[in-house]
Amino acid sequence: DIQMTQSPSSLSASVGDRVTITCRASQTISVYLNWYQQQPGKAPKLLIHVATGLQSGVPSRFRGSGSGTDFTLTISSLQPEDFATYYCQQTYSRPYTFGQGTKLEI
Amino acid sequence: QVQLQESGPGLVKPSQTLSLTCTVSGGSISTDSYYWSWIRQPAGKGLEWIGRIYTSGSTDYNPSLKSRVTISVDTSKNQFSLKLSSVTAADTAVYYCARDQVALTGTLDSWGQGTLVTVSS
Repeated sequence: DIQMTQSPSSLSASVGDRVTITCRASQTISVYLNWYQQQPGKAPKLLIHVATGLQSGVPSRFRGSGSGTDFTLTISSLQPEDFATYYCQQTYSRPYTFGQGTKLEI
Repeated sequence: QVQLQESGPGLVKPSQTLSLTCTVSGGSISTDSYYWSWIRQPAGKGLEWIGRIYTSGSTDYNPSLKSRVTISVDTSKNQFSLKLSSVTAADTAVYYCARDQVALTGTLDSWGQGTLVTVSS
């Protein structure tokens, strides 16, 4: 299985801050990397697909980048509703695997 | 807009079989554009992909669970189902059903709200 490692595991920030979350794959996955946001008690929500594609309806302050083994999710100006847990997921090969999550806190 | 809803027992005894159903509304499960998937999340932990089914009935499973998992589809009811046999406490989790794009395979673009299944005697 491809292991996905996110850093940091948790992050404290303030409204208006720019934050970056990193995801590293244990082997190359080309651009087959998605990002999800999960609010407490809710299902994950797709934000970014194939590394850089913004899912319909997702605000443009979310941006994905990277290829190969190293990927980043950047939120350009944090809004109150962005405080959540973020997961990366590789879809290069089955079983599709997720990172352990990054909790973004105020 | 498609909606997914999980249903099934919230409590299962050890060694028994966990059975959940996902009802899809607002779209046909028979479309050739999507797979239909199950994912789980133990409390306070990360996400684990369990497997998926296509409208044809073909399936893909996580090898770590393959010997215990069966995913099936009932197109007449617009539902798909998960069975996980010989459960233990380690199978206690929130179980989600989700839609997976064929064009971007593995990409889960719509999710159910999730259902908590506790394995306990």
